[in-house]
Amino acid sequence: NAGVTQTPKFQVLKTGQSMTLQCAQDMNHEYMSWYRQDPGMGLRLIHYSVGAGITDQGEVPNGYNVSRSTTEDFPLRLLSAAPSQTSVYFCASRGAGRETQYFGPGTRLLVL
Amino acid sequence: GNSVTQMEGPVTLSEEAFLTINCTYTATGYPSLFWYVQYPGEGLQLLLKATKADDKGSNKGFEATYRKETTSFHLEKGSVQVSDSAVYFCALSGMDSSYKLIFGSGTRLLVRP
Repeated sequence: NAGVTQTPKFQVLKTGQSMTLQCAQDMNHEYMSWYRQDPGMGLRLIHYSVGAGITDQGEVPNGYNVSRSTTEDFPLRLLSAAPSQTSVYFCASRGAGRETQYFGPGTRLLVL
Repeated sequence: GNSVTQMEGPVTLSEEAFLTINCTYTATGYPSLFWYVQYPGEGLQLLLKATKADDKGSNKGFEATYRKETTSFHLEKGSVQVSDSAVYFCALSGMDSSYKLIFGSGTRLLVRP
């Protein structure tokens, strides 16, 4: 049982490049989400999904796309990277109800 | 909307000192409240939680009590260790959006030997 896994751990992009951050969970959780962590601002919700085929926007969705084709996977796509997207990205998952969210180890992204 | 406010850090303590990290919240109804901890270079781990008023969450010597009357969920530990050095986040999930966690800005704790 690996929990929530994220790849890559670290990535450097140039402005305008695109990439996909991968997230997978093996706990059969319905709910998955993406957060970004910036100094002094805590974590902010980017997008979330309440089940396969269902996604919605969080607090800071601009510049990011998501899809949820399976229960296990929830990739985050940066369409055209900008320096403002330099951050640490965390994926999380949770079962039904108001249970604990489990976080992945994070992806550190630097956009030059 | 829902929000969480934490005390500014960093908090620097000597080993075996008493710790309090303040957290207050704004939310409608009865949110669930959480403390997460982030050790250097790692992701967030749930430290403790409380889901209704007057509940006390506890784990690893840390405690926090859900105070509806003061809308607070302060984190306490009687005797901190060097290994407790980390960033601590207070968070809530509201009744109107139970899937979403709202985080405070985090408080960095540094414990010196």
